[in-house]
Amino acid sequence: GAVVSQHPSWVICKSGTSVKIECRSLDFQATTMFWYRQFPKQSLMLMATSNEGSKATYEQGVEKDKFLINHASLTLSTLTVTSAHPEDSSFYICSGSESQGGNQPQHFGDGTRLSIL
Amino acid sequence: GQSLEQPSEVTAVEGAIVQINCTYQTSGFYGLSWYQQHDGGAPTFLSYNALDGLEETGRFSSFLSRSDSYGYLLLQELQMKDSASYFCAVRDNTDKLIFGTGTRLQVFP
Repeated sequence: GAVVSQHPSWVICKSGTSVKIECRSLDFQATTMFWYRQFPKQSLMLMATSNEGSKATYEQGVEKDKFLINHASLTLSTLTVTSAHPEDSSFYICSGSESQGGNQPQHFGDGTRLSIL
Repeated sequence: GQSLEQPSEVTAVEGAIVQINCTYQTSGFYGLSWYQQHDGGAPTFLSYNALDGLEETGRFSSFLSRSDSYGYLLLQELQMKDSASYFCAVRDNTDKLIFGTGTRLQVFP
């Protein structure tokens, strides 16, 4: 099955630090990747849609300058949390699908737990 | 706005059957999916319904009624390992997945 690799799995850093999270599709090409954030005991909230070779599309309320997304190739997307603060502490998850179409499931990475001190 | 409502928590014993409901209100609809998520883990895909009716995959079945904007996930022969959070999700016409509020299932021996 399709595999999405996400790392790091866990990050603890000081307030003000920038943190980069990588998301790779290992055995398929993901034209589109998605970035979600999940707070404890809550649902997954879509932050942005990442398209290879073009600018990401951000959901309402998500700061573009704070959450920088780059989709450098068909197999790699990165999310950089710039100048992270404690309120950015959350579980960040990426996903990708092999092709467009409602019957193609999204394959999720294992997530990155970000803790800002 | 877009919303997918689920019960917050369901409890059951091993071997039982549970149904987790999902009612949705979205601007576009390209199918209803179900995902399972264990604590600290990533969501894993369970099932997908594009058309009305029941889809069966082993112990799990999923149902959709588009006219009622409603679906459910049915889990049979419950096992302890089924204790997890379950999310319904609607795929809209831009391929985005909009997730439901989530249901925490606790299975007791």
